[in-house]
Amino acid sequence: AQSVTQPDIHITVSEGASLELRCNYSYGATPYLFWYVQSPGQGLQLLLKYFSGDTLVQGIKGFEAEFKRSQSSFNLRKPSVHWSDAAEYFCAVGALKAAGNKLTFGGGTRVLVKP
Amino acid sequence: DAGVIQSPRHEVTEMGQEVTLRCKPISGHDYLFWYRQTMMRGLELLIYFNNNVPIDDSGMPEDRFSAKMPNASFSTLKIQPSEPRDSAVYFCASTPGQGAIGELFFGEGSRLTVL
Repeated sequence: AQSVTQPDIHITVSEGASLELRCNYSYGATPYLFWYVQSPGQGLQLLLKYFSGDTLVQGIKGFEAEFKRSQSSFNLRKPSVHWSDAAEYFCAVGALKAAGNKLTFGGGTRVLVKP
Repeated sequence: DAGVIQSPRHEVTEMGQEVTLRCKPISGHDYLFWYRQTMMRGLELLIYFNNNVPIDDSGMPEDRFSAKMPNASFSTLKIQPSEPRDSAVYFCASTPGQGAIGELFFGEGSRLTVL
């Protein structure tokens, strides 16, 4: 069975500083990996996704993530954080079969941005 | 474009009452998912549909929960009778399917409080 672990429950970062969120996955085959963001009171929005190819993927809002098969990781990064990046971030792995499109989500990392 | 529309946004009810949550997916999307989000358990997939047919309901907690999708533009999640432990935010999400693997479009959620 697939699983996703986000080791950090909360992260506080100063505005303008860099941000890295950790994600480790467990999946028996080549994973399909995703990062979603949830702003307060909102649903989740897709930031980026990795299926294959280049292991460094670019997403919206200036985010990027790097897939490292040897470490079973898919960490999310942003070089300079803006106050509007305060939100909860979810890593997810896909179980993609012909009949389905299921995602398993990690527990989330809540990001607080200090002025 | 209209996104996924959920109603009600907030529901407060008493234990034992019936609760019905509603979802209108994005037009043209073949898949519809119901998720539940709580602090303790994070995001849990309850059930998903493909072309209005339930594909996997293994995440539905118990017989008190039921979901239907009578047509491509409407789905309901019903809890009868409701219990305090059902208090959570319930999200509906849709996706076009294989052409947009893993890209789920979430509604804003229905926050349920059972007293």
